[in-house]
Amino acid sequence: KAGVTQTPRYLIKTRGQQVTLSCSPISGHRSVSWYQQTPGQGLQFLFEYFSETQRNKGNFPGRFSGRQFSNSRSEMNVSTLELGDSALYLCASSLGASGVEQFFGPGTRLTVL
Amino acid sequence: DQQVKQNSPSLSVQEGRISILNCDYTNSMFDYFLWYKKYPAEGPTFLISISSIKDKNEDGRFTVFLNKSAKHLSLHIVPSQPGDSAVYFCAAPSSGSARQLTFGSGTQLTVLP
Repeated sequence: KAGVTQTPRYLIKTRGQQVTLSCSPISGHRSVSWYQQTPGQGLQFLFEYFSETQRNKGNFPGRFSGRQFSNSRSEMNVSTLELGDSALYLCASSLGASGVEQFFGPGTRLTVL
Repeated sequence: DQQVKQNSPSLSVQEGRISILNCDYTNSMFDYFLWYKKYPAEGPTFLISISSIKDKNEDGRFTVFLNKSAKHLSLHIVPSQPGDSAVYFCAAPSSGSARQLTFGSGTQLTVLP
């Protein structure tokens, strides 16, 4: 079974731009969660989507948004990029019904200049 | 407010010896804990978990111990192998959502040959 895939793997943007990251979960998984990893703040939960609905949101500004499609693929968008948005963005999928275990993708490394 | 804490940023152990990674938590509502391992340029990989109704869970070389009264858990790796060198995160799901994980800051384990 293929794992969680994320595209692109690396991205360089400048301040003020916007960016869209993509995540394809493991086949059959309906829940997709997004996390941000930075050296200063560690791994922080952004949001979770299940059956195209956002179920939970972490403590991030409204510039961070996401969506999920009917095939469970998910995208997250960051608008008006700031230097502090430079991070590794990780996507994780799970069955979503009651499963706690999440399977992570390799991440997208975003650098904001 | 760090609800999950890993106070040791790094740990070095000789190959064949025991590695003990520690994690403390402050939120008494946490009732399930997970350990993830992360290699550079990869996403975290699920290692082992424990429910609060247990005080020990074992899987091969990996054993997790939970001390609820002390709000402390530890991961034991015996025997340690060079391939175990990675960053280890403990995590707990929020009471509101099983897939909203709160992570510790991680411990870099180095197993010396």
